[in-house]
This record gives sequence, structure tokens and C-alpha cells, in this order.
Amino acid sequence: GENVEQHPSTLSVQEGDSAVIKCTYSDSASNYFPWYKQELGKGPQLIIDIRSNVGEKKDQRIAVTLNKTAKHFSLHITETQPEDSAVYFCAAGGFGDYKLSFGAGTTVTVRA
Amino acid sequence: NAGVTQTPKFRILKIGQSMTLQCTQDMNHNYMYWYRQDPGMGLKLIYYSVGAGITDKGEVPNGYNVSRSTTEDFPLRLELAAPSQTSVYFCASSLEETQYFGPGTRLLVL
Repeated sequence: GENVEQHPSTLSVQEGDSAVIKCTYSDSASNYFPWYKQELGKGPQLIIDIRSNVGEKKDQRIAVTLNKTAKHFSLHITETQPEDSAVYFCAAGGFGDYKLSFGAGTTVTVRA
Repeated sequence: NAGVTQTPKFRILKIGQSMTLQCTQDMNHNYMYWYRQDPGMGLKLIYYSVGAGITDKGEVPNGYNVSRSTTEDFPLRLELAAPSQTSVYFCASSLEETQYFGPGTRLLVL
């Protein structure tokens, strides 16, 4: 099955700086790569996703890049704000039953 | 439109007891999923369903059972609770790839 590794496990950044989280996956058949944000005591919420026919996608301060050859994808958050503090999960999956395999998560802390 | 709802929010069980975690979605999604989340371990898929009457095992199904009699509901059953089942349980649903999660049920087995 699919195996997703996520780094780093914790990330502390100064407000206004950028944060980068990286993930690798093992199954070359995976073609859908979402990122979820989880705030304390809540369920994961989708913040951005990318499909295999696209190399980069942006949505305001967040962007995701995908390198299918190297089987890795990354989340970039620019101009970080205190409300960006949360746990972020990457995931990988494919068509059909739409199952996802998740990374272990990155705890991001934005220091004021 | 409430999305995905889960009950209860928190439960304490004694070893050997049974319980059902409820999950309901009002988005008419065919696909539904149950995950457990342990500290530092991400989300692990327990069971999933591609439509009413169809269920299949995920990565960690042992000790759990599911049923899917309607499109809206996907209950998760624990028959003989064990301390290893202490976790936070999330239900999700999707129309296609994008999964939408409920708020979770925190379960403590003592």
C-alpha cells in the first residue's frame, strides 16, 4: 500500500516568515495530494490540494508543489500569522475508492 | 447543511464493554470513511464504504465493525473494548477525492 512520510514533525517560525512542510510517497499510482489543517479539538479541514497533472497550485498565502518523478510534494505558507498555528497533514491517494494515506503530521507554531 | 456530524463527542468505556460511534452526513456523498488518530501517528483508515450496503476493511480494522444501510449513516461498532482502542475517531465523507471530516469522538478505554 501507499506510504507517506512527512517532515518535519514540528516547526516553529517567526510571524511573517515562511513555513515549508515536505512529504514523500511510495505509490507511483497516487495522483491526488491534499493538505489538511487541524486545529486543537477539531477535525481536519482541507486547505489545498493538487492533482498529478499540475506541478504547482496557489491560494493566497499557501501553495503546494508536486514533483511526480521524485514522488514528493510540499506545502508553502508565506507571511505566517498566529492563526496559522495548527497541525498540518499531507495525504496521497488515487481514483477509484478514493482512499487516502496520511503523513504523521507537522505541528506548526507561529511566534508573535 | 451540517456536513459530517459525529456522536458522542467523548466517551469513557470499561474494558470489554461495547459501543457504537455514530456518523451522519447530509451531503449525499457515496463514499464514507472511519479513521483513528493516535498522537504522532497521523490518521489510520479503519473501514470505508463506497455506497449503501458496501463496506471494506482499511489499514487497521481489527476490533471494529461497520454497516452502511443508508447513504447518510455509517456507524462504527466496538464489540469488546480494549485499552489499545483509546484514540480519537474521525468519520469522513466524499463525493470523489476530497474528503470532509467530522469533529471527532474522543474515546478512553480503562
